[in-house]
Amino acid sequence: DAGVIQSPRHEVTEMGQEVTLRCKPISGHNSLFWYRQTMMRGLELLIYFNNNVPIDDSGMPEDRFSAKMPNASFSTLKIQPSEPRDSAVYFCASSLGGDNQPQHFGDGTRLSIL
Amino acid sequence: AQSVTQLGSHVSVSEGALVLLRCNYSSSVPPYLFWYVQYPNQGLQLLLKYTSAATLVKGINGFEAEFKKSETSFHLTKPSAHMSDAAEYFCAVSESGGYQKVTFGTGTKLQVIP
Repeated sequence: DAGVIQSPRHEVTEMGQEVTLRCKPISGHNSLFWYRQTMMRGLELLIYFNNNVPIDDSGMPEDRFSAKMPNASFSTLKIQPSEPRDSAVYFCASSLGGDNQPQHFGDGTRLSIL
Repeated sequence: AQSVTQLGSHVSVSEGALVLLRCNYSSSVPPYLFWYVQYPNQGLQLLLKYTSAATLVKGINGFEAEFKKSETSFHLTKPSAHMSDAAEYFCAVSESGGYQKVTFGTGTKLQVIP
């Protein structure tokens, strides 16, 4: 079975540019999570969707970040305008509903903002 | 509120030696507990999970963890370390209640010395 698919795997862009990260969750999973991982701050939850609806976006750093889930098989995380401090690895994860269900992670997008 | 503390950001063991990675949790309700492993340039993968069925949980790659309510601990062990175990390990807690928010620890990097 295909796992969580993220694209692109690597993105290098200049400060001020718009960045769009994409995620395809595992088919049948109804929860989707976006995380950011850095050396300094570790793994941070940015936003959580359940049945395509954003449930908790309290981790989104600021208005420059936005996330959408137009359908059960696709989600995007957008940064506009990007800044050097946004450089990190961004992970998407999906899971079946329920507190005892593990999350399945994609391989991440390594984002570098110059 | 739930939280997780992983003692030791770096642990080094000799090949063939016991692996012990420590995790203590805080939760106001019976928790669900998870251990994940992250290899370089990959996302997190589930090693094992505790969901109250049995206090000793066996996972993949020979790892196991024991839930000790009195100590609020969920330490990860493996009797004999292998070079391929070198990775970063994350403990995570989820509280029952339908919200499905998972709190991850800060991670422990395991080095295996030949």
